[in-house]
Amino acid sequence: QVQLVQSGAEVKKPGASVKVSCEASGYTFSSYAMHWVRQAPGQRFEWMGWILPDSGNTEYSQKFQGRLTLTRDTSANTAYMELSSLRSDDTAVYYCAKDRGGTGDWDSWGQGALVTVSS
Amino acid sequence: EIVLTQSPATLSLSPGERATLSCRASQSVSSNLAWYQQKPGQAPRLLIFDASNRATGIPARFSGGGSGTDFTLTISSLDPEDFALYYCQQRSNWPYTFGQGTKLEIK
Repeated sequence: QVQLVQSGAEVKKPGASVKVSCEASGYTFSSYAMHWVRQAPGQRFEWMGWILPDSGNTEYSQKFQGRLTLTRDTSANTAYMELSSLRSDDTAVYYCAKDRGGTGDWDSWGQGALVTVSS
Repeated sequence: EIVLTQSPATLSLSPGERATLSCRASQSVSSNLAWYQQKPGQAPRLLIFDASNRATGIPARFSGGGSGTDFTLTISSLDPEDFALYYCQQRSNWPYTFGQGTKLEIK
């Protein structure tokens, strides 16, 4: 079955960067876009962007332009999310989510990675 | 950005009862709407896509309806495992956006 396994929780200082990984199994990694979505405490889910593993093409929400970098390693079936210039309001659970099939909704999610930004 | 507004914020019902959750969009999203269920400490699970299609493995008691700006998620007879948070999400326009959620709690 499809599984997305994310790296563990991180604590970062303001201004630092964080990189979260998402290892996929149970399907053809290169065939489906991988999205990143976050949920800050008490806030709505926020879509951050997606990457097409086959081509490496990306699309970012304007909110995160300039701070967000999505990459992938097809040999390792792993997607990565790097967010820079961290602020306290970036404290959130970050999820990777497999696109259902070029649709922009998500039929499998990682378990989430808590990123805490605190001085 | 399309704003999704869910109602009610909290719905208190008993097992076996029927639940109706609503999601309203600030502009038309056609049928490009999904529903997710989230339990504490877990990732969301896709229930409904394209407004009315059940995702793989989702029980038939879950159904979705609507188009344009007004959508509903109906659970025909509540099972104890259905008490959770529910979110709608639109994929009509970037950025994809979510509703604020409805908490379905046991009465």
